[in-house]
Amino acid sequence: DQQVKQNSPSLSVQEGRISILNCDYTNSMFDYFLWYKKYPAEGPTFLISISSIKDKNEDGRFTVFLNKSAKHLSLHIVPSQPGDSAVYFCAAVAYSGAGSYQLTFGKGTKLSVIP
Amino acid sequence: DGGITQSPKYLFRKEGQNVTLSCEQNLNHDAMYWYRQDPGQGLRLIYYSQIVNDFQKGDIAEGYSVSREKKESFPLTVTSAQKNPTAFYLCASSITSQGRQPQHFGDGTRLSIL
Repeated sequence: DQQVKQNSPSLSVQEGRISILNCDYTNSMFDYFLWYKKYPAEGPTFLISISSIKDKNEDGRFTVFLNKSAKHLSLHIVPSQPGDSAVYFCAAVAYSGAGSYQLTFGKGTKLSVIP
Repeated sequence: DGGITQSPKYLFRKEGQNVTLSCEQNLNHDAMYWYRQDPGQGLRLIYYSQIVNDFQKGDIAEGYSVSREKKESFPLTVTSAQKNPTAFYLCASSITSQGRQPQHFGDGTRLSIL
């Protein structure tokens, strides 16, 4: 059973416009969320995160919104640039016992920014 | 430069062989992780280690083994018991596993069966 869902496998956006990537989760024990960006044949790189006590976190062109009641988060990229073209993974953190925390990843959304 | 180094980038295995994937980090991180990624799938946790000489099974540990003899190193062995080993393997580390800290990833090893 997928606990973190990214229902859109791909998204195309014109350069300069807003990109909105969505993520839904089912486990109410998740209390921290992250977005990673991944280029082909490379490892994911951390982009931005948000704690469950907040509903918004902003870092430059990237903003993450969290709606706890809907168990939904989204990543906004404004303005979108061709270099943003990559696969974006949503990830959620929950305490897994024995003093450690585990990350659960969604399947990713491939963003293509068209010049 | 600090980071995580995975080697080799591409690896081929014959049926029935064990192979070991290397992961080294110079970030002085306590926690290290191994993930597997299949096409169109998210990352799934194989094993993780919170500290030297300690490791725990993740969601899909069957057919894999690890060791953590040094803080910098967390090699993964894909054994012949792993019936579907073809995948992209990612190693990651974080300062500790006791907190909500981003994990830093290596560039991965792609394993294929001959």
